[in-house]
Amino acid sequence: SYVLTQPPSVSVAPGQTATITCGGDNIGSKSVHWYQQKPGQAPVLVVYDDNERPSGIPERMSGSNTGNPATLTISRVEAGDEADYYCQVWDSDIHHPVLGHGTEVIVL
Amino acid sequence: QVQLVQSGAEVKKSGASVKVSCKTSGYAFIGFYIHWLRQAPGQGLEWVGSLDPNTGTTNYAQRFYGRVDMTRDTSISTVYMELLSLNSNDTAVFYCARAMSYYYHSSGRGYYFDYWGQGTLLTVSS
Repeated sequence: SYVLTQPPSVSVAPGQTATITCGGDNIGSKSVHWYQQKPGQAPVLVVYDDNERPSGIPERMSGSNTGNPATLTISRVEAGDEADYYCQVWDSDIHHPVLGHGTEVIVL
Repeated sequence: QVQLVQSGAEVKKSGASVKVSCKTSGYAFIGFYIHWLRQAPGQGLEWVGSLDPNTGTTNYAQRFYGRVDMTRDTSISTVYMELLSLNSNDTAVFYCARAMSYYYHSSGRGYYFDYWGQGTLLTVSS
C-alpha cells in the first residue's frame, strides 16, 4: 500500500521559515493536502490540491508538489504555528485516504 | 456555516460496543461523503472508514472489517459510527470529517477533508 513519509519534528526560530516534507512514490502524480492540528483540537485543513489555501488560512502557509518530496512551507513562523502537521493523498486504487505520520513543528 | 458536531465522550468496558454520532448542518447532507478517523493518545491520524450519505454505501479500513458499522439518518443529517468488541487499544479520539471531491489530472478522483467534527474521546477499560 502507498506510504507517506514525514520527519517526526522540525524546529524553527520565530520569524524564520519552516519546511515540512512529505515523501511518497511518484508523489508528483498525486494531489497533496495538509492539515494542522494543535494540542487538544481537531485537525484543520491548511492546504489542498498541492498549493491552494482555504479561506482564512494565512498566505504564510504554502504548499508545493513539483517533485519528491512535496512540501509545506510556513514563512515568518509565529509561536501560534506550533502544532502537528499531516500530509494526505488519496489512493485511488483502494479508495482510501493515505496520511503521513505527522510532523511536530517546534518554535524555539 | 458548515458544522459537524459529535456526541460526547464515552467510557466503555472491554468487549462492549460504542455508537458515536456526527450531526451535520450548513450544507446538503447527501452531497458529501463522511469519513471517520481515529487518533490514539500521542499518535497520528488513522482512517477508519467512510459513508456515502446519499446511498448508505460504506467503505472500511481492512483492520476494522467486521467490527465497525457506519449508518446515517438523512432526516436529521446525522452519521453514526458503531465500533464493536472494544479493547483497550481502541482508546482514542474519533473524528468525523466531510470529504471534498476533486479531480486530479494524473490520478483521477480523490478526496480531502475540509470540515471536521470536534472529536469524541473513547476510553476503554478492562
